[in-house]
Amino acid sequence: DGGITQSPKYLFRKEGQNVTLSCEQNLNHDAMYWYRQDPGQGLRLIYYSQIVNDFQKGDIAEGYSVSREKKESFPLTVTSAQKNPTAFYLCASLQSGANVLTFGAGSRLTVL
Amino acid sequence: GESVGLHLPTLSVQEGDNSIINCAYSNSASDYFIWYKQESGKGPQFIIDIRSNMDKRQGQRVTVLLNKTVKHLSLQIAATQPGDSAVYFCAEADGGYQKVTFGTGTKLQVIP
Repeated sequence: DGGITQSPKYLFRKEGQNVTLSCEQNLNHDAMYWYRQDPGQGLRLIYYSQIVNDFQKGDIAEGYSVSREKKESFPLTVTSAQKNPTAFYLCASLQSGANVLTFGAGSRLTVL
Repeated sequence: GESVGLHLPTLSVQEGDNSIINCAYSNSASDYFIWYKQESGKGPQFIIDIRSNMDKRQGQRVTVLLNKTVKHLSLQIAATQPGDSAVYFCAEADGGYQKVTFGTGTKLQVIP
């Protein structure tokens, strides 16, 4: 079945450590997105990429980094510069010309 | 800045009744609106969408209404079932899908 796979589902990190969240899609979608979700709040865009080797900052990119070396993969690194990293992170993809995002199941990051 | 918001953060309905979830948007340039359903610990799933040149669109047990005059969007769920319990997000997109803005979400609780 085609879809988006995020890993790990749960991740714990100590303060000062970087952590990388994986996002892989086999939908052959061109665009990929990373959103952050906090309790009781909507989704906020961190980064997005419309083509390989190109990506743009979203609304809350500070403290995060991404790469898009392959069409299928869009990993997100949460760096130690992110002051409040504990959140639920959602990856999504979109086919060119379409308007509906397909989401992964999410990764919950907790900083201890 | 432009934003999408919801009138009711929590909605409780009796099983079998109809549910109406409301959303206000402020970006008059948005031309595409989407409703997503998010169950606990999962990523959002597409429910139904509507373009700005339409007033109403129906799906299976769901109807979306768009009132551009007052910038209001609603999701109607007929014969609400326990499986409908989730958080519902409205989202708006501004042509080309460079960026999608999500509302804060409404939690729907279905009372058996």
